[in-house]
Amino acid sequence: GAVVSQHPSWVICKSGTSVKIECRSLDFQATTMFWYRQFPKQSLMLMATSNEGSKATYEQGVEKDKFLINHASLTLSTLTVTSAHPEDSSFYICSARDLADTQYFGPGTRLTVL
Amino acid sequence: GQQLNQSPQSMFIQEGEDVSMNCTSSSIFNTWLWYKQDPGEGPVLLIALYKAGELTSNGRLTAQFGITRKDSFLNISASIPSDVGIYFCAGLRETSGSRLTFGEGTQLTVNP
Repeated sequence: GAVVSQHPSWVICKSGTSVKIECRSLDFQATTMFWYRQFPKQSLMLMATSNEGSKATYEQGVEKDKFLINHASLTLSTLTVTSAHPEDSSFYICSARDLADTQYFGPGTRLTVL
Repeated sequence: GQQLNQSPQSMFIQEGEDVSMNCTSSSIFNTWLWYKQDPGEGPVLLIALYKAGELTSNGRLTAQFGITRKDSFLNISASIPSDVGIYFCAGLRETSGSRLTFGEGTQLTVNP
C-alpha cells in the first residue's frame, strides 16, 4: 500500500528558531502533497497545498512567510516553521495524493516550542 | 472550514457490539473517505468510496456513499478493543480540487 513518512516524528525547539519537517511518499510519486495541523481533540486543519515544481497554495489565515513549503521532487515536500513561537506548538501532518486522488497521511510530527 | 457534520462525537461501547457513525453535508461530494487515527499518529485510510450508492467492506468495516451524495456512513461490526480511536470522515468536492473536507471526528471507546 501507499506509504508516507515524516521526519522528525517529534521536535522540541527554542522560541525564535526555525524547524524543518520532511514529508516523503515512499512507494509512489505525488505531484501534490498537503500540510495539516491538528490541535488536541480537534480535526485536521488544512494549511496549504504543496505542488511539485510550483508555489504552494495557502489556506486563508495561514502566513506563507511563516510556514515555508518546498516541493522539490515528486516524493518530497518540506515545511519550515520560521521563527517558531509557543503558539506554533501543534501536531503537523502531511498527506500525499496518488493518481486515484486518494490521500495517504504521514505519521505526523509533534512540534513543541519552548 | 468544516462543512461535514459527523455524529456521534463520541461512543462508549462493549466489546462485541456493532457501531455506526455517519457524516452529512449540505454540499455534494464526489468522493467519501473514512480514516482512523490513533493517538500520536496520522490518519490511516480505512475505506474510499467513489460512486453514489456504493457499498464497500473492509473486514469488519462497511461504508456507504449516500445516494444523494451528501452523506456517508461507517459501520463496524463485532467491535474489539483495538478499534479504539478517532474516526474521521472526509470528502472531496468537485469545486475544491483535491482539498479534503474533514468531519470533526468520532471518538470510539471499546470496553473489554
